[in-house]
Amino acid sequence: GESVGLHLPTLSVQEGDNSIINCAYSNSASDYFIWYKQESGKGPQFIIDIRSNMDKRQGQRVTVLLNKTVKHLSLQIAATQPGDSAVYFCAENWGTGRRALTFGSGTRLQVQP
Amino acid sequence: EAGVAQSPRYKIIEKRQSVAFWCNPISGHATLYWYQQILGQGPKLLIQFQNNGVVDDSQLPKDRFSAERLKGVDSTLKIQPAKLEDSAVYLCASSLEVARDNEQFFGPGTRLTVL
Repeated sequence: GESVGLHLPTLSVQEGDNSIINCAYSNSASDYFIWYKQESGKGPQFIIDIRSNMDKRQGQRVTVLLNKTVKHLSLQIAATQPGDSAVYFCAENWGTGRRALTFGSGTRLQVQP
Repeated sequence: EAGVAQSPRYKIIEKRQSVAFWCNPISGHATLYWYQQILGQGPKLLIQFQNNGVVDDSQLPKDRFSAERLKGVDSTLKIQPAKLEDSAVYLCASSLEVARDNEQFFGPGTRLTVL
């Protein structure tokens, strides 16, 4: 399939290492955040979400950290595997009537075997 | 369960031509979204439907883009006439309910190239 993004910031890690992907979000009113994984030729896939009343949430091998003071979101992937290689997007949402997400520009994660 | 289906997967047209994309959401999902993803960028919402009604089309270029979801299930997105800058992947997503934290499931997208 075609590449999702050829000129995205790239994070290259060794298999088994931990990865940290960062995102600066745009709207101080945002109160719901999601991390998506997008493999080449596929649509984005939900990884983990967090509400603004939390500063940390853990899933299986993934942790999301939220710092509302500086409008920063990070995704930590433990024991990174080759199958984690993809483009990662953070997305934000705000407002009571608005449902759609606003996506960031993405980071490409390359896992070296 | 079956995922979100989109067709065609790829389309190449000349500028000023017309094109249409089709989306079949996950069965029972009331909310359907069309996003445009330009290479190297995150998806950008074009239009959101709740059943067969439009919830948000504020970012849809209405002079050339149109979308419909007549029976509240399948949806089509049309571009007429296409411009070079419309080259992108068009993603369809659906979610079960209107709740904001309801997970959106994405289809594989349609890759449009305008020459």
